[in-house]
Amino acid sequence: AQTVTQSQPEMSVQEAETVTLSCTYDTSESDYYLFWYKQPPSRQMILVIRQEAYKQQNATENRFSVNFQKAAKSFSLKISDSQLGDAAMYFCASTISGNTPLVFGKGTRLSVIA
Amino acid sequence: DVKVTQSSRYLVKRTGEKVFLECVQDMDHENMFWYRQDPGLGLRLIYFSYDVKMKEKGDIPEGYSVSREKKERFSLILESASTNQTSMYLCASSPTGAVYEQYFGPGTRLTVT
Repeated sequence: AQTVTQSQPEMSVQEAETVTLSCTYDTSESDYYLFWYKQPPSRQMILVIRQEAYKQQNATENRFSVNFQKAAKSFSLKISDSQLGDAAMYFCASTISGNTPLVFGKGTRLSVIA
Repeated sequence: DVKVTQSSRYLVKRTGEKVFLECVQDMDHENMFWYRQDPGLGLRLIYFSYDVKMKEKGDIPEGYSVSREKKERFSLILESASTNQTSMYLCASSPTGAVYEQYFGPGTRLTVT
């Protein structure tokens, strides 16, 4: 069974600064997929970034990047040049295939201070 | 754009009532999911479905059932609502095959009094 752990219930960052959200996971599978989802207040959950375990290169999407450490089973999200609109709950998630459900962490609430 | 809609944003029901939460997606996705979101617990999977008339139990199916008569619609049913089912309910869908993202609906905040 897969597990996903987010050890930071809450984080805060100054506008324009960089913040890193932590995520660790556990799986016995060799192929799996990792995701970061963002849930803004009272808005729909959206995908921020995804990483395939077989890819060594860390995924990047504009100001969002991941630090994927496969041996350590760590998958952290870095947000650069933080903006007020980045304030949200962030969930780390994992799955082993397209037909299996995601396993989510408990989330990290990110506040951005102007 | 993929759109997942849920029948209600807010719902208040009484203990013992039968409650239906509806979810509709417009992108012909095979997979649909119902999650429950509670503070400090993250998202927990209730049921999911790979195809019409198919369903699989998730991590917390007790007290819930589902129905999928049409591909685009996935209903969550609370047979006899209880106060401990007060929560945010999220529906999601995804295409089958390659690992594509799940697309989420806006959620239904259910209060059982």
